[in-house]
Amino acid sequence: KQEVTQIPAALSVPEGENLVLNCSFTDSAIYNLQWFRQDPGKGLTSLLLIQSSQREQTSGRLNASLDKSSGRSTLYIAASQPGDSATYLCAVSGTSGTYKYIFGTGTRLKVLA
Amino acid sequence: EAGVTQFPSHSVIEKGQTVTLRCDPISGHDNLYWYRRVMGKEIKFLLHFVKESKQDESGMPNNRFLAERTGGTYSTLKVQPAELEDSGVYFCASSWRPHSDYGYTFGSGTRLTVV
Repeated sequence: KQEVTQIPAALSVPEGENLVLNCSFTDSAIYNLQWFRQDPGKGLTSLLLIQSSQREQTSGRLNASLDKSSGRSTLYIAASQPGDSATYLCAVSGTSGTYKYIFGTGTRLKVLA
Repeated sequence: EAGVTQFPSHSVIEKGQTVTLRCDPISGHDNLYWYRRVMGKEIKFLLHFVKESKQDESGMPNNRFLAERTGGTYSTLKVQPAELEDSGVYFCASSWRPHSDYGYTFGSGTRLTVV
């Protein structure tokens, strides 16, 4: 049974700092991994999608890496801004059936001005 | 293209009442998913439709929950009768294929509070 863990659960950093959010999963047989952002009271916004055959994806100040064999992914945020404050969620999709996503509990990020 | 639309955005009901949540997927997306997040827990899968058929409903918590997808378009999730533990945020997502190379598009969710 796939389990996804995100560390840390919460993080508070000063503006401008580079930071890394971690995601680990127990079953390496994944189809893809997706990082989401959730703002309070809002829905999920997809940030980056990494296919199982890929090692990393970049979008602006965000870079996500995937090491499928070790069951790990990291989300790197460069030069953090107060607007980055949100909950960041990692989700992995299985390789068969419905390909449903298994989510981690998220990392709650606060960037201080 | 319009995104995934869910309504209502918020619903407060009393224990024992019935509530129906609606999801309009992106046009042309045959795959529609329901997820929910209860307080303090991770987001969990409820079920998956392919067009109007239920592909996987392994995440439905019990028979108080009924999901339908009329004509393969919008979907409804009915909770009857609602219990306190049903409170949470219910998300809908859609995709063109189940193993989409573009992942899912999620709606903004319906926050359900049962009092």
